[in-house]
Amino acid sequence: EVQLVESGGGLVKPGGSLRLSCVASGFTFSSHTMNWVRQTPRKGLEWVSSISGSGSYISYADSLRGRFTISRDNAKDSLYLQMSSLRVEDTGIYYCARRFYYEGLFDPWGQGTLVTVSS
Amino acid sequence: EIVLTQSPATLSLSPGERATLSCRASQSVGAYLAWYQQRPGQAPRLLIYDASIRATGIPARFSGSGSGTDFTLTISSLEPEDFAVYYCQHRSNLAPWTFGQGTKVEIK
Repeated sequence: EVQLVESGGGLVKPGGSLRLSCVASGFTFSSHTMNWVRQTPRKGLEWVSSISGSGSYISYADSLRGRFTISRDNAKDSLYLQMSSLRVEDTGIYYCARRFYYEGLFDPWGQGTLVTVSS
Repeated sequence: EIVLTQSPATLSLSPGERATLSCRASQSVGAYLAWYQQRPGQAPRLLIYDASIRATGIPARFSGSGSGTDFTLTISSLEPEDFAVYYCQHRSNLAPWTFGQGTKVEIK
Protein backbone atom coordinates (compact mmCIF):
# COMPACT_ATOMS: atom_id res chain seq x y z
CA GLU A 1 0.00 0.00 0.00
CA VAL A 2 1.31 3.43 -0.95
CA GLN A 3 1.75 5.67 2.09
CA LEU A 4 2.97 9.21 2.53
CA VAL A 5 3.50 10.52 6.05
CA GLU A 6 4.32 14.17 6.66
CA SER A 7 5.84 15.64 9.78
CA GLY A 8 7.60 18.78 10.97
CA GLY A 9 4.69 21.18 11.19
CA GLY A 10 4.12 23.37 14.21
CA LEU A 11 3.86 26.89 15.55
CA VAL A 12 6.46 29.38 14.33
CA LYS A 13 6.78 33.16 14.58
CA PRO A 14 6.64 35.39 11.51
CA GLY A 15 10.08 35.49 9.90
CA GLY A 16 10.94 32.06 11.26
CA SER A 17 11.86 28.83 9.51
CA LEU A 18 10.54 25.30 9.44
CA ARG A 19 11.51 22.07 7.69
CA LEU A 20 8.79 19.66 6.66
CA SER A 21 9.42 16.00 5.91
CA CYS A 22 7.45 13.34 4.06
CA VAL A 23 8.36 9.67 4.31
CA ALA A 24 7.13 7.42 1.52
CA SER A 25 6.51 3.69 1.48
CA GLY A 26 4.87 1.10 -0.75
CA PHE A 27 6.45 2.21 -4.02
CA THR A 28 9.81 2.92 -5.64
CA PHE A 29 10.27 6.46 -4.36
CA SER A 30 13.16 7.39 -6.64
CA SER A 31 11.05 6.72 -9.75
CA HIS A 32 8.40 9.31 -8.97
CA THR A 33 8.09 13.07 -9.14
CA MET A 34 6.88 14.39 -5.79
CA ASN A 35 5.02 17.53 -4.88
CA TRP A 36 4.08 19.76 -1.99
CA VAL A 37 0.56 21.19 -2.03
CA ARG A 38 -0.79 23.40 0.72
CA GLN A 39 -4.27 24.36 1.88
CA THR A 40 -4.61 27.77 3.44
CA PRO A 41 -7.65 29.71 4.69
CA ARG A 42 -6.83 32.55 2.30
CA LYS A 43 -6.15 30.73 -0.96
CA GLY A 44 -7.53 27.22 -0.53
CA LEU A 45 -5.55 24.49 -2.32
CA GLU A 46 -2.31 25.78 -3.78
CA TRP A 47 0.46 23.84 -5.49
CA VAL A 48 3.77 24.76 -3.85
CA SER A 49 6.63 22.85 -5.47
CA SER A 50 7.61 19.79 -7.47
CA ILE A 51 10.79 17.72 -7.72
CA SER A 52 11.62 14.98 -10.22
CA GLY A 53 12.64 11.49 -9.16
CA SER A 54 16.35 12.19 -9.57
CA GLY A 55 16.03 15.65 -8.07
CA SER A 56 17.28 17.23 -11.27
CA TYR A 57 14.11 19.12 -12.13
CA ILE A 58 12.54 21.44 -9.61
CA SER A 59 9.75 23.96 -9.93
CA TYR A 60 8.08 26.37 -7.54
CA ALA A 61 4.99 28.52 -7.42
CA ASP A 62 6.17 32.01 -8.40
CA SER A 63 4.88 33.55 -5.19
CA LEU A 64 6.98 31.20 -3.06
CA ARG A 65 10.24 31.01 -4.99
CA GLY A 66 13.14 32.22 -2.91
CA ARG A 67 11.56 31.42 0.45
CA PHE A 68 10.82 27.70 0.05
CA THR A 69 13.27 24.95 -1.02
CA ILE A 70 12.24 21.45 -1.99
CA SER A 71 14.64 18.52 -1.79
CA ARG A 72 14.63 14.75 -1.51
CA ASP A 73 16.78 11.91 -0.21
CA ASN A 74 16.04 8.81 -2.24
CA ALA A 75 18.14 6.62 0.06
CA LYS A 76 15.74 7.52 2.86
CA ASP A 77 12.55 7.58 0.73
CA SER A 78 12.03 11.11 1.98
CA LEU A 79 10.86 14.44 0.63
CA TYR A 80 11.55 17.76 2.33
CA LEU A 81 10.36 21.36 2.23
CA GLN A 82 12.57 23.99 3.85
CA MET A 83 10.49 27.09 4.54
CA SER A 84 12.05 30.39 5.58
CA SER A 85 10.90 33.99 6.12
CA LEU A 86 7.51 32.57 7.03
CA ARG A 87 4.49 34.84 6.94
CA VAL A 88 1.10 34.67 8.62
CA GLU A 89 -0.45 33.84 5.25
CA ASP A 90 1.69 30.69 5.02
CA THR A 91 -0.47 29.17 7.77
CA GLY A 92 -2.19 26.02 6.60
CA ILE A 93 -1.96 22.30 6.06
CA TYR A 94 0.94 21.12 3.93
CA TYR A 95 0.50 17.91 1.98
CA CYS A 96 3.01 15.85 0.07
CA ALA A 97 1.58 14.16 -2.99
CA ARG A 98 2.92 11.82 -5.62
CA ARG A 99 2.64 12.56 -9.28
CA PHE A 100 -0.14 10.50 -10.86
CA TYR A 101 0.65 9.49 -14.46
CA TYR A 102 1.00 13.03 -15.77
CA GLU A 103 2.69 16.18 -14.56
CA GLY A 104 0.30 18.24 -12.51
CA LEU A 105 -1.83 15.37 -11.26
CA PHE A 106 -1.57 14.46 -7.60
CA ASP A 107 -2.44 11.10 -6.07
CA PRO A 108 -2.07 9.81 -3.46
CA TRP A 109 -1.67 12.51 -0.83
CA GLY A 110 -0.36 12.27 2.69
CA GLN A 111 -2.50 13.22 5.67
CA GLY A 112 -0.86 16.63 5.90
CA THR A 113 1.04 18.55 8.55
CA LEU A 114 -0.24 21.80 10.06
CA VAL A 115 1.93 24.89 9.95
CA THR A 116 0.84 27.87 12.03
CA VAL A 117 2.66 31.18 11.65
CA SER A 118 1.73 33.51 14.47
CA SER A 119 3.33 35.86 16.94
CA GLU B 1 -2.01 31.79 -14.68
CA ILE B 2 -5.30 30.01 -15.35
CA VAL B 3 -8.11 30.83 -12.94
CA LEU B 4 -10.74 28.18 -12.24
CA THR B 5 -14.16 29.26 -10.98
CA GLN B 6 -16.44 26.64 -9.45
CA SER B 7 -20.19 26.90 -8.97
CA PRO B 8 -22.20 26.72 -6.91
CA ALA B 9 -20.22 27.30 -3.72
CA THR B 10 -22.58 25.00 -1.84
CA LEU B 11 -24.99 22.37 -3.09
CA SER B 12 -27.64 21.08 -0.67
CA LEU B 13 -29.02 17.71 -1.71
CA SER B 14 -30.44 14.53 -0.26
CA PRO B 15 -28.94 11.05 -0.55
CA GLY B 16 -30.00 9.44 -3.81
CA GLU B 17 -30.23 12.76 -5.65
CA ARG B 18 -28.11 13.76 -8.62
CA ALA B 19 -25.36 16.34 -8.11
CA THR B 20 -24.07 18.56 -10.90
CA LEU B 21 -20.96 20.66 -10.20
CA SER B 22 -19.44 23.17 -12.60
CA CYS B 23 -15.94 24.47 -13.20
CA ARG B 24 -15.11 27.27 -15.61
CA ALA B 25 -11.56 28.11 -16.74
CA SER B 26 -10.37 31.64 -17.53
CA GLN B 27 -8.93 30.33 -20.81
CA SER B 28 -9.07 27.07 -22.70
CA VAL B 29 -7.40 24.14 -20.96
CA GLY B 30 -8.37 21.59 -23.60
CA ALA B 31 -9.27 18.45 -21.69
CA TYR B 32 -6.63 18.96 -18.99
CA LEU B 33 -9.04 19.23 -16.10
CA ALA B 34 -9.13 17.07 -12.97
CA TRP B 35 -11.54 16.72 -10.06
CA TYR B 36 -10.67 15.90 -6.45
CA GLN B 37 -12.83 14.99 -3.48
CA GLN B 38 -11.98 16.08 0.05
CA ARG B 39 -13.93 14.55 2.90
CA PRO B 40 -13.90 16.28 6.31
CA GLY B 41 -10.57 15.86 8.05
CA GLN B 42 -9.01 14.05 5.11
CA ALA B 43 -6.63 14.87 2.31
CA PRO B 44 -7.97 15.35 -1.21
CA ARG B 45 -8.13 12.32 -3.48
CA LEU B 46 -8.18 12.23 -7.26
CA LEU B 47 -11.54 11.32 -8.80
CA ILE B 48 -11.38 12.28 -12.46
CA TYR B 49 -8.58 13.40 -14.77
CA ASP B 50 -8.42 14.62 -18.34
CA ALA B 51 -12.02 15.76 -17.96
CA SER B 52 -13.67 12.34 -18.03
CA ILE B 53 -11.33 9.52 -16.99
CA ARG B 54 -12.06 8.01 -13.59
CA ALA B 55 -9.03 7.32 -11.42
CA THR B 56 -8.44 3.81 -10.12
CA GLY B 57 -11.14 2.61 -7.75
CA ILE B 58 -13.53 5.52 -8.29
CA PRO B 59 -17.18 4.36 -8.51
CA ALA B 60 -19.06 4.67 -11.78
CA ARG B 61 -21.58 7.10 -10.26
CA PHE B 62 -18.89 9.77 -10.68
CA SER B 63 -18.55 11.12 -14.20
CA GLY B 64 -16.88 14.12 -15.76
CA SER B 65 -17.47 15.98 -18.98
CA GLY B 66 -16.50 19.11 -20.84
CA SER B 67 -13.64 20.65 -22.75
CA GLY B 68 -12.15 24.05 -23.40
CA THR B 69 -13.40 26.29 -20.61
CA ASP B 70 -16.52 24.56 -19.24
CA PHE B 71 -16.51 21.33 -17.25
CA THR B 72 -18.98 19.35 -15.19
CA LEU B 73 -18.67 16.73 -12.48
CA THR B 74 -21.81 14.63 -12.05
CA ILE B 75 -22.61 12.30 -9.20
CA SER B 76 -25.54 10.25 -10.44
CA SER B 77 -26.97 9.20 -7.08
CA LEU B 78 -25.46 10.58 -3.89
CA GLU B 79 -24.23 8.13 -1.29
CA PRO B 80 -23.67 9.25 2.33
CA GLU B 81 -19.89 9.21 1.82
CA ASP B 82 -20.15 11.60 -1.15
CA PHE B 83 -21.00 14.60 0.99
CA ALA B 84 -17.70 16.44 0.80
CA VAL B 85 -15.92 19.30 -0.92
CA TYR B 86 -14.98 18.93 -4.59
CA TYR B 87 -12.19 20.80 -6.33
CA CYS B 88 -11.34 21.13 -9.98
CA GLN B 89 -7.73 21.53 -11.04
CA HIS B 90 -5.92 22.41 -14.23
CA ARG B 91 -3.04 20.19 -15.09
CA SER B 92 -0.53 20.62 -17.90
CA ASN B 93 3.03 19.61 -18.70
CA LEU B 94 4.33 22.79 -17.10
CA ALA B 95 3.74 24.33 -13.70
CA PRO B 96 2.04 26.18 -12.15
CA TRP B 97 -1.02 24.07 -11.55
CA THR B 98 -4.09 25.75 -10.13
CA PHE B 99 -7.18 24.66 -8.23
CA GLY B 100 -10.70 26.01 -8.08
CA GLN B 101 -12.06 27.29 -4.79
CA GLY B 102 -14.25 24.25 -4.24
CA THR B 103 -17.92 23.24 -4.13
CA LYS B 104 -19.28 21.83 -0.90
CA VAL B 105 -21.95 19.14 -1.31
CA GLU B 106 -23.93 19.07 1.92
CA ILE B 107 -26.87 17.05 3.18
CA LYS B 108 -30.18 18.83 2.77
